[in-house]
Amino acid sequence: NAGVTQTPKFRVLKTGQSMTLLCAQDMNHEYMYWYRQDPGMGLRLIHYSVGEGTTAKGEVPDGYNVSRLKKQNFLLGLESAAPSQTSVYFCASYQPSTDTQYFGPGTRLTVL
Amino acid sequence: KQEVTQIPAALSVPEGENLVLNCSFTDSAIYNLQWFRQDPGKGLTSLLLIQSSQREQTSGRLNASLDKSSGRSTLYIAASQPGDSATYLCAVGGYNDMRFGAGTRLTVKP
Repeated sequence: NAGVTQTPKFRVLKTGQSMTLLCAQDMNHEYMYWYRQDPGMGLRLIHYSVGEGTTAKGEVPDGYNVSRLKKQNFLLGLESAAPSQTSVYFCASYQPSTDTQYFGPGTRLTVL
Repeated sequence: KQEVTQIPAALSVPEGENLVLNCSFTDSAIYNLQWFRQDPGKGLTSLLLIQSSQREQTSGRLNASLDKSSGRSTLYIAASQPGDSATYLCAVGGYNDMRFGAGTRLTVKP
C-alpha cells in the first residue's frame, strides 16, 4: 500500500515551458487535491476533485489545469510556466469517514 | 476569507520540556480544525482532528484544544523528544476549503 505518490520529485523548467505533475493514490479515495507551499506561507489549494471526471477550482487556480480521468490519478498541468509558479506542490487524497487528508511527498518545481 | 496564523514561526526547546504551539483563525464558523506534522522534504501527516462541536482531542503525548469563540487552538506536547522536531501546521475548514497556517518549526535539543 503506497498511499499517495507524486511524480516527479524535482523539476526545473524555463519560463514558458509546459509540464504535467502526476499524483496517484491506491486507497480508493474519491476526493483528491493539489496544493502549493511557498516559504513563510501555508499550503494553498489550487484545484480539487470530488470524483472521477470532476474538477473544481480552489484558492489559487490561475495558470494551472487539472484532469481526473481515472479515480486513482489526479494530474496538474502548467501550460506556460512562470517564475511565480516556483513552489513545492503537494497532492492529497481524502477519506470522508475519518475526515483526514493523506499527503504525498511533494514535487519541488523551479521555473527559471 | 479565513486567515490562519501560527506564532511563533520557530521554537527551540530542551528535551523533556512541555510546550504549547498556537494557532489563531479569523472566522469562528469552522467545520473542523486539524494539526499536521511536516518533516523536512516530506508531506504532511495528520496528528489530531477536532470537530467543530468538540473542545479537545488527545493522542499520546499530544493534546489539542479548540476555542471557537476566541478563534484559537493550541497543541500541547508533553515531555518533548528530539524526534518531535518538525514543522507543525494547523488547518481549518472542510473538504473543499481548508486553510493552512504557515507553521511553527520546532527543534527539540538533546
